[in-house]
Amino acid sequence: SAVISQKPSRDICQRGTSLTIQCQVDSQVTMMFWYRQQPGQSLTLIATANQGSEATYESGFVIDKFPISRPNLTFSTLTVSNMSPEDSSIYLCSSAGLGAVEQFFGPGTRLTVL
Amino acid sequence: DAKTTQPNSMESNEEEPVHLPCNHSTISGTDYIHWYRQLPSQGPEYVIHGLTSNVNNRMASLAIAEDRKSSTLILHRATLRDAAVYYCILGPAGTALIFGKGTTLSVSS
Repeated sequence: SAVISQKPSRDICQRGTSLTIQCQVDSQVTMMFWYRQQPGQSLTLIATANQGSEATYESGFVIDKFPISRPNLTFSTLTVSNMSPEDSSIYLCSSAGLGAVEQFFGPGTRLTVL
Repeated sequence: DAKTTQPNSMESNEEEPVHLPCNHSTISGTDYIHWYRQLPSQGPEYVIHGLTSNVNNRMASLAIAEDRKSSTLILHRATLRDAAVYYCILGPAGTALIFGKGTTLSVSS
């Protein structure tokens, strides 16, 4: 199983600023994904982070608001840009190895926007 | 994406078996049945997956109906630590997981 860490674990930010969340996997993985979990809700997929190419975004999420990088097979970042209080959520990354069915999740980054 | 239907909540007593149902009548041939759970204040945790046959692992068992239109996650002896939201998700291997609302399992001592 893969072990995933995220930084920061939590943050409180001011409206209009941006925050970059880091996701580090302890082994090389094929797929990495970013999710958002709003308070009291289930997880919503934001995008698939593709290594060496642009991320693939789900409906309702755009690159200008949530730019994603994936420079190698073990690391990805998600930036939440020009934040508003509606962006207050837990942001989670997950990974899956080549040919693997099971995915592993990071502990999440709890973001509060004031 | 194929949709699943789960009860909103279930209750169990410690040490008793728990059967968590999931209906997925529109499942396609390439869809695996995935189960994840999310304990309070944690990221989701993989529990088990299956395609056509019943599966067992150290955490749970997965019973899949012959027509694959429903499945049941079985926790053989519930503990307080099993209190979580359990998600039944369909999808091919290596693709993103689309989460529904899941079943909130409460376990009483």
